[in-house]
Amino acid sequence: EAQVTQNPRYLITVTGKKLTVTCSQNMNHEYMSWYRQDPGLGLRQIYYSMNVEVTDKGDVPEGYKVSRKEKRNFPLILESPSPNQTSLYFCASRRGGTYSYNEQFFGPGTRLTVL
Amino acid sequence: AQTVTQSQPEMSVQEAETVTLSCTYDTSENNYYLFWYKQPPSRQMILVIRQEAYKQQNATENRFSVNFQKAAKSFSLKISDSQLGDTAMYFCAFMKHSTGAGSYQLTFGKGTKLSVIP
Repeated sequence: EAQVTQNPRYLITVTGKKLTVTCSQNMNHEYMSWYRQDPGLGLRQIYYSMNVEVTDKGDVPEGYKVSRKEKRNFPLILESPSPNQTSLYFCASRRGGTYSYNEQFFGPGTRLTVL
Repeated sequence: AQTVTQSQPEMSVQEAETVTLSCTYDTSENNYYLFWYKQPPSRQMILVIRQEAYKQQNATENRFSVNFQKAAKSFSLKISDSQLGDTAMYFCAFMKHSTGAGSYQLTFGKGTKLSVIP
């Protein structure tokens, strides 16, 4: 089954404790991205990657890191989480190329709470 | 930069009735794509419908259709014969057509919470 998986689905942590949210897709997609969803703000892009070893900042990158060492994986790293990073996080992937209307496939979301 | 505005934070509709969700956007681009995503209580993001800006014909997908007005930069979603399973948050999204690095960014509106009442 074609899918984007994220782990963990739920996480409660404390300020300053480094954490990683994993994202993996099995569709051989070139493009992957991370979004955060906050009430009243919709989804905002954190980082995206156009291919292996190619990443760039989205609209709200502060406090986050990413890496793309393999095509299928795109982990989101919070080196020193803070309470304002409490949010619902989505990973997404899509086929690359010049066709921007290619559908983005979203993962199930990760609910992160930073105390 | 592009912006997407959904002016209706919440809406409700009776089952089997028709409802229209509004979306406006601001861009200087001529070629772009517009999307409506549905997010049910499960939180999964589901693509409902998409529209290429260069196509004059409005997209339709079963009970879902759009009214795309390019000059007015408006992209509303009409849901016909509303069903209880349509209860969800709906997001309008914009993506510009480009082969450059920025071509992959989806810009979302803040969402409209739709409740279908039995």
